[in-house]
Amino acid sequence: EIVLTQSPGTLSLSPGERATLSCRASQSITSKFFAWYQQRPGQAPRLLIYDTSTRVTGIPDRFSGSGSGTDFTLTISRLEPEDFAVYYCQHYGTSPPFTFGPGTKVDIK
Amino acid sequence: EVQLVESGGGLVQPGGSLRLSCAASRFTFSSYWMSWVRQAPGKGLEWVANIKQDGSEKSYVDSVKGRFTISRDNAKNSLYLQMNSLRAEDTAVYYCARGHSAPDYWGQGTLVTVSS
Repeated sequence: EIVLTQSPGTLSLSPGERATLSCRASQSITSKFFAWYQQRPGQAPRLLIYDTSTRVTGIPDRFSGSGSGTDFTLTISRLEPEDFAVYYCQHYGTSPPFTFGPGTKVDIK
Repeated sequence: EVQLVESGGGLVQPGGSLRLSCAASRFTFSSYWMSWVRQAPGKGLEWVANIKQDGSEKSYVDSVKGRFTISRDNAKNSLYLQMNSLRAEDTAVYYCARGHSAPDYWGQGTLVTVSS
């Protein structure tokens, strides 16, 4: 089973700054099946990116995903006030388990 | 927009049972895989189970196999999770979500608390 590790645990930034969130897999992922979710306090998770780099319809283009092998990245080019939240990465595929990372909290500096 | 509304959560004693329901609307329910994902208080996300469009295929995370059963009723646009032999570690918000493994829409969740 692939284990996902996210870093940093907390990222303290100011609005307008660039955020780079990392997710590392315990073994190389040969497929493109990698996703990122945003969860604001008291809300359900929201899918942002799937297939490593495809943005969900309606997600602003300041969000971008990249990566391959064991290292995957979510980049938020310029933080807006509504972007301060917890972000989860996920490896998925044709058969379970569909593992989530522990999350990175982006909070206001 | 797609709507998913969970119900059925509550307080239950260890060893007890609970049945969660999810009412789906504003999309063709019978055309989609559906999933349950849970989140323990203050913790991260854990995928629990999924079910194929016609109910012919189901998968579970190892920790709930033999105790939880996912099902659906396409005529009622509803998804269910029957939870038996509940343990303290099953305490979580349970989300109904649309999709096989990377859900694109989620309900607001229903809280299940297993405690004596």
